[in-house]
Amino acid sequence: QAVVTQEPSLTVSPGGTVTLTCGSSTGAVTSGHYPYWFQQKPGQAPRTLIYDTSNKHSWTPARFSGSLLGGKAALTLSGAQPEDEAEYYCLLSYSGARQFGGGTKLTVL
Amino acid sequence: QVQLVQSGAEVKKPGASVKVSCKVSGYTLTELSMHWVRQAPGKGLEWMGGFDPEDGETIYAQKFQGRVTMTEDTSTDTAYMELSSLRSEDTAVYYCATDDYGDWGQGTLVTVSS
Repeated sequence: QAVVTQEPSLTVSPGGTVTLTCGSSTGAVTSGHYPYWFQQKPGQAPRTLIYDTSNKHSWTPARFSGSLLGGKAALTLSGAQPEDEAEYYCLLSYSGARQFGGGTKLTVL
Repeated sequence: QVQLVQSGAEVKKPGASVKVSCKVSGYTLTELSMHWVRQAPGKGLEWMGGFDPEDGETIYAQKFQGRVTMTEDTSTDTAYMELSSLRSEDTAVYYCATDDYGDWGQGTLVTVSS
Protein backbone atom coordinates (compact mmCIF):
# COMPACT_ATOMS: atom_id res chain seq x y z
CA GLN A 1 0.00 0.00 0.00
CA ALA A 2 1.36 3.37 -1.03
CA VAL A 3 2.21 6.06 1.49
CA VAL A 4 1.23 9.63 0.64
CA THR A 5 3.34 12.31 2.27
CA GLN A 6 2.57 15.94 3.13
CA GLU A 7 4.33 18.58 5.17
CA PRO A 8 3.00 18.25 8.75
CA SER A 9 2.75 22.01 9.18
CA LEU A 10 3.39 25.26 7.34
CA THR A 11 3.03 28.91 8.23
CA VAL A 12 2.20 31.75 5.86
CA SER A 13 1.85 35.47 6.47
CA PRO A 14 -1.42 37.19 5.60
CA GLY A 15 -1.24 38.12 1.92
CA GLY A 16 1.65 35.75 1.37
CA THR A 17 2.09 32.73 -0.85
CA VAL A 18 2.64 29.14 0.24
CA THR A 19 2.86 25.82 -1.59
CA LEU A 20 1.77 22.55 -0.03
CA THR A 21 3.03 19.35 -1.62
CA CYS A 22 1.84 15.76 -1.86
CA GLY A 23 4.27 12.95 -2.64
CA SER A 24 3.90 9.24 -3.23
CA SER A 25 6.09 6.40 -2.00
CA THR A 26 5.63 4.69 -5.38
CA GLY A 27 7.39 7.45 -7.31
CA ALA A 28 6.44 10.63 -9.09
CA VAL A 29 2.88 11.84 -8.76
CA THR A 30 1.29 12.22 -12.18
CA SER A 31 -2.06 13.32 -13.53
CA GLY A 32 -2.94 9.61 -13.54
CA HIS A 33 -3.13 9.78 -9.74
CA TYR A 34 -5.98 12.30 -10.15
CA PRO A 35 -4.79 14.41 -7.19
CA TYR A 36 -7.43 15.98 -4.97
CA TRP A 37 -6.97 18.68 -2.36
CA PHE A 38 -9.31 19.17 0.60
CA GLN A 39 -9.63 21.84 3.24
CA GLN A 40 -10.93 20.93 6.67
CA LYS A 41 -11.68 23.27 9.53
CA PRO A 42 -12.30 22.07 13.10
CA GLY A 43 -15.64 20.39 13.56
CA GLN A 44 -16.48 20.47 9.86
CA ALA A 45 -16.56 17.91 7.08
CA PRO A 46 -13.79 18.22 4.50
CA ARG A 47 -14.41 20.44 1.51
CA THR A 48 -12.89 19.75 -1.88
CA LEU A 49 -10.81 22.59 -3.30
CA ILE A 50 -9.08 20.94 -6.26
CA TYR A 51 -9.78 17.79 -8.25
CA ASP A 52 -7.87 16.04 -11.04
CA THR A 53 -4.66 17.98 -10.32
CA SER A 54 -5.82 21.52 -11.11
CA ASN A 55 -9.60 21.74 -11.56
CA LYS A 56 -11.57 23.93 -9.20
CA HIS A 57 -15.10 23.63 -7.92
CA SER A 58 -17.42 26.61 -8.17
CA TRP A 59 -16.81 27.34 -4.49
CA THR A 60 -13.00 27.22 -4.66
CA PRO A 61 -11.50 30.67 -4.01
CA ALA A 62 -9.42 31.90 -6.95
CA ARG A 63 -6.37 32.24 -4.69
CA PHE A 64 -6.04 28.41 -4.57
CA SER A 65 -4.47 26.55 -7.48
CA GLY A 66 -3.31 23.00 -8.09
CA SER A 67 -0.42 21.68 -10.17
CA LEU A 68 2.29 19.06 -10.49
CA LEU A 69 5.65 20.25 -9.24
CA GLY A 70 8.90 18.33 -9.02
CA GLY A 71 7.23 14.91 -9.04
CA LYS A 72 4.61 15.89 -6.51
CA ALA A 73 1.13 17.32 -6.54
CA ALA A 74 1.07 20.87 -5.27
CA LEU A 75 -1.50 23.24 -3.84
CA THR A 76 -0.53 26.90 -4.01
CA LEU A 77 -2.25 29.57 -2.00
CA SER A 78 -1.55 33.07 -3.27
CA GLY A 79 -2.67 35.93 -1.06
CA ALA A 80 -3.41 34.00 2.13
CA GLN A 81 -6.38 35.12 4.21
CA PRO A 82 -6.96 34.47 7.91
CA GLU A 83 -9.87 32.18 7.00
CA ASP A 84 -7.46 29.91 5.10
CA GLU A 85 -6.04 28.65 8.38
CA ALA A 86 -7.06 24.98 8.33
CA GLU A 87 -5.90 21.42 7.78
CA TYR A 88 -5.28 20.48 4.15
CA TYR A 89 -5.32 16.93 2.82
CA CYS A 90 -4.37 15.51 -0.54
CA LEU A 91 -5.80 12.31 -1.98
CA LEU A 92 -4.23 10.17 -4.68
CA SER A 93 -5.75 7.39 -6.75
CA TYR A 94 -3.92 4.11 -7.32
CA SER A 95 -5.86 2.18 -9.95
CA GLY A 96 -9.14 2.92 -8.22
CA ALA A 97 -7.97 2.62 -4.63
CA ARG A 98 -7.41 5.95 -2.93
CA GLN A 99 -4.98 7.09 -0.27
CA PHE A 100 -5.00 10.27 1.78
CA GLY A 101 -1.90 12.10 2.86
CA GLY A 102 -1.40 12.76 6.54
CA GLY A 103 -2.47 16.38 6.22
CA THR A 104 -0.79 19.78 6.49
CA LYS A 105 -1.78 22.15 9.25
CA LEU A 106 -1.60 25.62 7.70
CA THR A 107 -1.24 28.57 10.03
CA VAL A 108 -1.83 32.10 8.76
CA LEU A 109 0.23 34.33 11.02
CA GLN B 1 -27.91 19.63 -5.74
CA VAL B 2 -26.95 16.42 -3.99
CA GLN B 3 -27.69 16.06 -0.29
CA LEU B 4 -26.27 13.25 1.79
CA VAL B 5 -27.84 12.66 5.20
CA GLN B 6 -26.24 10.08 7.46
CA SER B 7 -27.63 8.09 10.37
CA GLY B 8 -27.06 9.12 13.94
CA ALA B 9 -24.24 8.44 16.38
CA GLU B 10 -23.63 4.89 17.56
CA VAL B 11 -21.99 3.35 20.61
CA LYS B 12 -20.80 -0.22 20.19
CA LYS B 13 -18.91 -2.76 22.23
CA PRO B 14 -15.65 -4.30 21.00
CA GLY B 15 -16.32 -7.20 18.66
CA ALA B 16 -19.69 -5.89 17.53
CA SER B 17 -20.66 -4.55 14.10
CA VAL B 18 -22.00 -1.17 13.05
CA LYS B 19 -23.97 -0.21 9.96
CA VAL B 20 -24.01 3.45 8.96
CA SER B 21 -26.48 4.72 6.38
CA CYS B 22 -26.25 7.60 3.91
CA LYS B 23 -29.50 8.79 2.37
CA VAL B 24 -29.19 10.51 -1.00
CA SER B 25 -31.54 13.22 -2.20
CA GLY B 26 -31.44 15.51 -5.19
CA TYR B 27 -30.15 12.66 -7.33
CA THR B 28 -30.77 8.94 -7.44
CA LEU B 29 -28.16 6.59 -6.07
CA THR B 30 -27.82 4.96 -9.51
CA GLU B 31 -26.47 8.28 -10.82
CA LEU B 32 -23.76 8.43 -8.19
CA SER B 33 -20.81 6.40 -6.93
CA MET B 34 -20.39 6.55 -3.18
CA HIS B 35 -17.22 6.44 -1.14
CA TRP B 36 -16.63 6.19 2.59
CA VAL B 37 -13.99 8.06 4.59
CA ARG B 38 -13.34 8.03 8.32
CA GLN B 39 -11.52 10.26 10.77
CA ALA B 40 -10.44 9.18 14.23
CA PRO B 41 -10.44 11.88 16.92
CA GLY B 42 -7.58 14.30 16.32
CA LYS B 43 -6.32 12.27 13.37
CA GLY B 44 -6.32 12.56 9.59
CA LEU B 45 -8.70 11.37 6.92
CA GLU B 46 -8.69 7.70 5.98
CA TRP B 47 -10.23 6.33 2.79
CA MET B 48 -12.17 3.14 3.43
CA GLY B 49 -13.52 2.26 0.03
CA GLY B 50 -15.97 3.09 -2.69
CA PHE B 51 -17.70 2.08 -5.88
CA ASP B 52 -15.57 2.14 -9.03
CA PRO B 53 -17.93 2.75 -11.99
CA GLU B 54 -15.22 1.74 -14.48
CA ASP B 55 -15.04 -1.77 -13.06
CA GLY B 56 -18.57 -1.88 -11.69
CA GLU B 57 -17.17 -3.10 -8.40
CA THR B 58 -16.62 -1.77 -4.91
CA ILE B 59 -12.97 -1.31 -3.96
CA TYR B 60 -11.99 -1.56 -0.32
CA ALA B 61 -8.85 -0.21 1.27
CA GLN B 62 -6.48 -3.05 2.05
CA LYS B 63 -6.62 -2.20 5.75
CA PHE B 64 -10.35 -2.91 5.94
CA GLN B 65 -10.70 -5.86 3.57
CA GLY B 66 -12.63 -8.65 5.21
CA ARG B 67 -14.10 -6.34 7.80
CA VAL B 68 -16.04 -3.77 5.78
CA THR B 69 -18.99 -4.12 3.43
CA MET B 70 -20.45 -1.28 1.39
CA THR B 71 -23.88 -1.79 -0.09
CA GLU B 72 -26.65 0.21 -1.70
CA ASP B 73 -30.43 0.10 -1.69
CA THR B 74 -31.49 1.82 -4.89
CA SER B 75 -35.17 1.56 -3.93
CA THR B 76 -34.57 4.02 -1.10
CA ASP B 77 -31.47 5.78 -2.51
CA THR B 78 -29.53 4.81 0.57
CA ALA B 79 -25.91 3.66 0.79
CA TYR B 80 -24.62 1.63 3.71
CA MET B 81 -21.24 0.93 5.26
CA GLU B 82 -20.98 -1.96 7.69
CA LEU B 83 -17.83 -2.50 9.74
CA SER B 84 -17.46 -5.66 11.78
CA SER B 85 -15.20 -6.90 14.59
CA LEU B 86 -15.03 -3.41 16.01
CA ARG B 87 -12.14 -2.38 18.22
CA SER B 88 -11.41 0.81 20.10
CA GLU B 89 -9.27 2.09 17.22
CA ASP B 90 -12.40 2.17 15.06
CA THR B 91 -13.78 5.04 17.11
CA ALA B 92 -14.13 7.74 14.49
CA VAL B 93 -16.42 9.96 12.49
CA TYR B 94 -17.50 8.12 9.36
CA TYR B 95 -18.38 10.12 6.24
CA CYS B 96 -20.05 9.15 2.99
CA ALA B 97 -19.11 11.19 -0.07
CA THR B 98 -19.73 11.18 -3.78
CA ASP B 99 -16.84 9.80 -5.80
CA ASP B 100 -15.83 13.28 -6.97
CA TYR B 101 -15.86 14.29 -3.28
CA GLY B 102 -17.95 17.33 -4.17
CA ASP B 103 -20.62 16.33 -1.69
CA TRP B 104 -20.23 14.91 1.80
CA GLY B 105 -22.54 13.63 4.47
CA GLN B 106 -22.51 15.33 7.84
CA GLY B 107 -20.59 12.47 9.43
CA THR B 108 -21.58 9.77 11.91
CA LEU B 109 -19.66 9.33 15.15
CA VAL B 110 -19.09 5.69 16.01
CA THR B 111 -17.72 5.08 19.48
CA VAL B 112 -16.34 1.67 20.37
CA SER B 113 -16.11 1.18 24.11
CA SER B 114 -16.60 -1.58 26.62
